Amino acid sequence: QVQLVESGGGVVQPGRSLRLSCGASGFSFSKYAIHWVRQTPGKGLEWVALISYDGSNIYYADSVKGRFTISRDNSKNTLSLQMSNLRPEDTAVYYCARDPLWESYRLGSYFDYWGQGTLVTVSS
Amino acid sequence: ILLTQSPGTLSLSPGERASLSCRASQSVTKSYLAWYQQKPGQAPRLLMYGASSRAPGIPDRFSGSGSGTDFTLTISGLEPEDFAVYYCQQYGYSPLTFGQGTKLEIK
Repeated sequence: QVQLVESGGGVVQPGRSLRLSCGASGFSFSKYAIHWVRQTPGKGLEWVALISYDGSNIYYADSVKGRFTISRDNSKNTLSLQMSNLRPEDTAVYYCARDPLWESYRLGSYFDYWGQGTLVTVSS
Repeated sequence: ILLTQSPGTLSLSPGERASLSCRASQSVTKSYLAWYQQKPGQAPRLLMYGASSRAPGIPDRFSGSGSGTDFTLTISGLEPEDFAVYYCQQYGYSPLTFGQGTKLEIK
């Protein structure tokens, strides 16, 4: 069955960096685009970033553009989110979520499978 | 696109019918609207896409309707496991956006 497992969350001071990972199994990882979506009690669900199935197309929310970098290693079935210059408002549960379309490179879809999430807390 | 869900909280009893609303600030392209269910401590689960298509494995008591700016998720005959928070999401425009959620609670 499709499985996505996030890791790497924790407590980090403002201005510091953190790297999240998402391991995938149960499907042809290299054929699907993958998103990061975050959730906070205050702002709810917020789409963060998307990387196309082959890594050729990448999109970011304005709130993270220039600070976060999404990448993938299709040989290892893993997705990463490098977060830099973190702010308190980046505090959230971060989910990786699959785009349902085969070999998609466009930003314009829903999310058919989600990981269980990893909590990032930005605080001094 | 801003998505506004109503009501914020809906209190109903098992067996009753629930109607959850999602209103968009502008017309959603090609009814590119999805619904998710989230239970405490869990990730969201896809229920509907394309406004009215059920995701695999979703019971037929869940149905979606609407177009343009007004969309509805209907749950006919509430089961105990249906009490949760429900979110709508549009994917016709960048950035992808979610509604703030409707909490469906047991009366």
